[in-house]
Amino acid sequence: DAGVTQSPTHLIKTRGQHVTLRCSPISGHKSVSWYQQVLGQGPQFIFQYYEKEERGRGNFPDRFSARQFPNYSSELNVNALLLGDSALYLCASSLVPDNSPLHFGNGTRLTVT
Amino acid sequence: GQQVMQIPQYQHVQEGEDFTTYCNSSTTLSNIQWYKQRPGGHPVFLIQLVKSGEVKKQKRLTFQFGEAKKNSSLHITATQTTDVGTYFCAGHAGGTSYGKLTFGQGTILTVHP
Repeated sequence: DAGVTQSPTHLIKTRGQHVTLRCSPISGHKSVSWYQQVLGQGPQFIFQYYEKEERGRGNFPDRFSARQFPNYSSELNVNALLLGDSALYLCASSLVPDNSPLHFGNGTRLTVT
Repeated sequence: GQQVMQIPQYQHVQEGEDFTTYCNSSTTLSNIQWYKQRPGGHPVFLIQLVKSGEVKKQKRLTFQFGEAKKNSSLHITATQTTDVGTYFCAGHAGGTSYGKLTFGQGTILTVHP
């Protein structure tokens, strides 16, 4: 079975631009979470979706938004990019949304210049 | 908000030596998970602890969850070069936090052959 797949793997954007990151969960997993990992730190929770509904939101500005599709894949959108948004964006899927181990994808490395 | 702290930040050992990383949460956790991230990779789930005082072993790795469910530790016996990476603890607060995992900042382990 394929693991969690994310696209693109790398992205370079300019301040003020918009970006869309994509994630396909492991087959059978209905919950998708997004995390931001800045170099040298642990992943920080951004969003969790389950059955297309937002189940949780971390301490990120409204420039960050996400959605989940009927096939359980997900998109993370970031508007008005700032230099500080440069990070590894990790998508993780799990069977259920609560207290389940997370299966992470390889991430999207976003660089904002 | 909930904070999870890990110590030490770095640990350099000779191959064959033991290694321990400690994790402390500012709040009581419903469960704690441990992940390993190799350089350039993504976090990979190692184990989940749920019960107060729980101890679990995976070959040379021993995981403990404190009696108060606010701290945890990972001990590796006789480290090998394959143990190199960053070890993260991540806690679930439970309740309305749903599936949000709060990660510690990680302990970077280097093993000298």
